[in-house]
Amino acid sequence: NAGVMQNPRHLVRRRGQEARLRCSPMKGHSHVYWYRQLPEEGLKFMVYLQKENIIDESGMPKERFSAEFPKEGPSILRIQQVVRGDSAAYFCASSLTAARGGTDTQYFGPGTRLTVL
Amino acid sequence: AQSVAQPEDQVNVAEGNPLTVKCTYSVSGNPYLFWYVQYPNRGLQFLLKYITGDNLVKGSYGFEAEFNKSQTSFHLKKPSALVSDSALYFCAVRDMIFNDMRFGAGTRLTVKP
Repeated sequence: NAGVMQNPRHLVRRRGQEARLRCSPMKGHSHVYWYRQLPEEGLKFMVYLQKENIIDESGMPKERFSAEFPKEGPSILRIQQVVRGDSAAYFCASSLTAARGGTDTQYFGPGTRLTVL
Repeated sequence: AQSVAQPEDQVNVAEGNPLTVKCTYSVSGNPYLFWYVQYPNRGLQFLLKYITGDNLVKGSYGFEAEFNKSQTSFHLKKPSALVSDSALYFCAVRDMIFNDMRFGAGTRLTVKP
């Protein structure tokens, strides 16, 4: 069973361009989480999605950032009109379930490193 | 390449007792070490980190962790557990040479009243 896949591993964009980061969860997983890691810092939660639904987006910036997890295909984190401050590593994780009273283990992808020139 | 291991899938403690969640790591250079907590239906939350300096690091919610270079460990501790500490805990290591991050599989902590 392949682990969580993220692509691309490295992405370079110029200011004002769009960045699309993809995350393919582990087979059978229907819960996806996105995290941002800024230089010299730990991870920061961004958004939690289930298939076709956003469950918790409390960590998402209000503008330029969006996420989706369609019925078919990978989850996409989209950053419009990127700025230098968006440069970071973005990690995706997936879990099998999020049962009431507990949360299944999250399995993390290798991350996508976004560099904005 | 760096890696991190959390040898216990589950830790059970009684409320008021001390707790320890174990983590060992492997890196090729000096490590950045992190602990995160995940409450039900939420994303990860940062607890604490070790970069350099004192081996005992204090973090949020009364947690602390001790960096032990000789044992390549970074165990999470709390002197007196609360029922509300019940959650999933993730250890992570960042290798400053490769600038990459790896996470443990997580340890489920259950604190019983």
